[in-house]
Amino acid sequence: DGGITQSPKYLFRKEGQNVTLSCEQNLNHDAMYWYRQDPGQGLRLIYYSQIVNDFQKGDIAEGYSVSREKKESFPLTVTSAQKNPTAFYLCASTARGANVLTFGAGSRLTVL
Amino acid sequence: AQSVTQLDSQVPVFEEAPVELRCNYSSSVSVYLFWYVQYPNQGLQLLLKYLSGSTLVKGINGFEAEFNKSQTSFHLRKPSVHISDTAEYFCAVSERDSSYKLIFGSGTRLLVRP
Repeated sequence: DGGITQSPKYLFRKEGQNVTLSCEQNLNHDAMYWYRQDPGQGLRLIYYSQIVNDFQKGDIAEGYSVSREKKESFPLTVTSAQKNPTAFYLCASTARGANVLTFGAGSRLTVL
Repeated sequence: AQSVTQLDSQVPVFEEAPVELRCNYSSSVSVYLFWYVQYPNQGLQLLLKYLSGSTLVKGINGFEAEFNKSQTSFHLRKPSVHISDTAEYFCAVSERDSSYKLIFGSGTRLLVRP
């Protein structure tokens, strides 16, 4: 079955460490997105990419970085510059011209 | 700039009762509107969407929503809820000429009690 795979599902990190969250899709979707979810705040867009080797900052990109070397993959790195990284991170994708997002199951990052 | 307001952070309701989850949006251009549902520790899945045409939209699991342009609202309704409907519900909006960028509301937790 086609879908989006996010890994790891749970991740613990010490302060000052970078961590990379994986997002892989086999839907042949062109666009991919990373959202951050905090309780009571809904989802906020971190980065998005509409084609390979191109990506744009979302509303809260500071302290994060991404790459899009392959159509199927859109990893997110949470750097030590992100002041409050503990959150639930969701990856999503959509086909060209479509307007409905398909979401992965999410990765929960906890900074100790 | 677009924004989405979900007025209720939590809605408790008894099983088999009707429910309405409210959503209002702000935008200076034509929009697409969506409702997504999220079960605990999972991603979001689409309930229904309004793109054009009939303002009453039917979705999965017996949910429906009505687009009201004059009131800039897109409220979600279900005539009779089940325990399994307990989840977080998100309203979202995108502009028609930049439909790749969704703006989400803060979510409403629907708590169905027996």
